[in-house]
Amino acid sequence: GAGVSQSPSNKVTEKGKDVELRCDPISGHTALYWYRQSLGQGLEFLIYFQGNSAPDKSGLPSDRFSAERTGGSVSTLTIQRTQQEDSAVYLCASSADRGRIGELFFGEGSRLTVL
Amino acid sequence: QKEVEQDPGPLSVPEGAIVSLNCTYSNSAFQYFMWYRQYSRKGPELLMYTYSSGNKEDGRFTAQVDKSSKYISLFIRDSQPSDSATYLCAMSKGNSGYALNFGKGTSLLVTP
Repeated sequence: GAGVSQSPSNKVTEKGKDVELRCDPISGHTALYWYRQSLGQGLEFLIYFQGNSAPDKSGLPSDRFSAERTGGSVSTLTIQRTQQEDSAVYLCASSADRGRIGELFFGEGSRLTVL
Repeated sequence: QKEVEQDPGPLSVPEGAIVSLNCTYSNSAFQYFMWYRQYSRKGPELLMYTYSSGNKEDGRFTAQVDKSSKYISLFIRDSQPSDSATYLCAMSKGNSGYALNFGKGTSLLVTP
């Protein structure tokens, strides 16, 4: 596709359930990022992929959060045993190796609500 | 204290006004400075990018960086209702692969 695609766009789940969020980056972009945007909190970095490896996963808030990327393309962010404080918009972004530094192309996000 | 501070607003101005948006930061390792614009329920999009201190102009937008004061600004001239959005400053410590540190974003409303 032309842009970064994320699914689902909205997810409502019950506390304690697991959720998977998917990101399909722009074709050819080797770098992929996950951010979380909570109300009034700005964008919080979660994890960065270069190809299939994650050189920086320092932002993952707990061991309930994990992410993987396969084939240098699609990435999945998994949240296990969801808690109410996990409610947020999860944004995925990709960037090109030879693009401008800091030029991330964002998807529209997956809005997660944990009841 | 967060590394990047930004007043969340909201900021409301009449059409045609000059808008000034600002961020401060605490980490002198930041070298690259960006402004992103985010419309409601959309992902952020890169608006301006600067490296090092100085000014950069692009149409009605001017980005200003003062590394000695650890202060960056975005000016919007002749503001339009279509400029109504949240503006997020972002900073990077180095080359691609470093995560961006974002401010909380300032909500701007330009009224006709």
